[in-house]
Amino acid sequence: GQQLNQSPQSMFIQEGEDVSMNCTSSSIFNTWLWYKQDPGEGPVLLIALYKAGELTSNGRLTAQFGITRKDSFLNISASIPSDVGIYFCAGLNYGGSQGNLIFGKGTKLSVKP
Amino acid sequence: NAGVTQTPKFRILKIGQSMTLQCAQDMNHNYMYWYRQDPGMGLKLIYYSVGAGITDKGEVPNGYNVSRSTTEDFPLRLELAAPSQTSVYFCASSYSEGALYGYTFGSGTRLTVV
Repeated sequence: GQQLNQSPQSMFIQEGEDVSMNCTSSSIFNTWLWYKQDPGEGPVLLIALYKAGELTSNGRLTAQFGITRKDSFLNISASIPSDVGIYFCAGLNYGGSQGNLIFGKGTKLSVKP
Repeated sequence: NAGVTQTPKFRILKIGQSMTLQCAQDMNHNYMYWYRQDPGMGLKLIYYSVGAGITDKGEVPNGYNVSRSTTEDFPLRLELAAPSQTSVYFCASSYSEGALYGYTFGSGTRLTVV
């Protein structure tokens, strides 16, 4: 089946630093989604991308839908302690069977104050 | 504004026991999903439903069953619990096909089978 390669697996950064993570796939997706999961909670949608080349921001977060439709990037600027959590990318194709949202394995972010 | 509510939050089962994980949403979403999350493995789809009375298998359905008698509820049933089913289970719902507006997740049920 389709798989997403998300990297890095984990990051340890200093408060104030910028963060970059990405997702790649061998398949094309129509939509890319980025979620954040806090400890003991379910994932929460951060950003949704619907067009190749699209660049979308949500506060300090910026995500891009790759031109090839096979990748996506998430950047966090000026990290703060509450950015700690696991970030998941997810890819989606319309028109196929329902329930075809494919998740990456996550990037675990730790922020040192 | 409850969103997606999952119960229980934690459960320990013995091998061979059965249980039902409850999921309810109050957003009038047609689409509902069950995922399991294992450490470092992301989320895997177990079952999904596109509306009351309609369910279908996801990527990892073995050992589970679901039903969807109402729009609001989508319970997940484990009939003969096995240690391999130790995981965190998430229920999610979405308004439209393909999660155009993203899925809304519950806060999860952490299940341990011993």
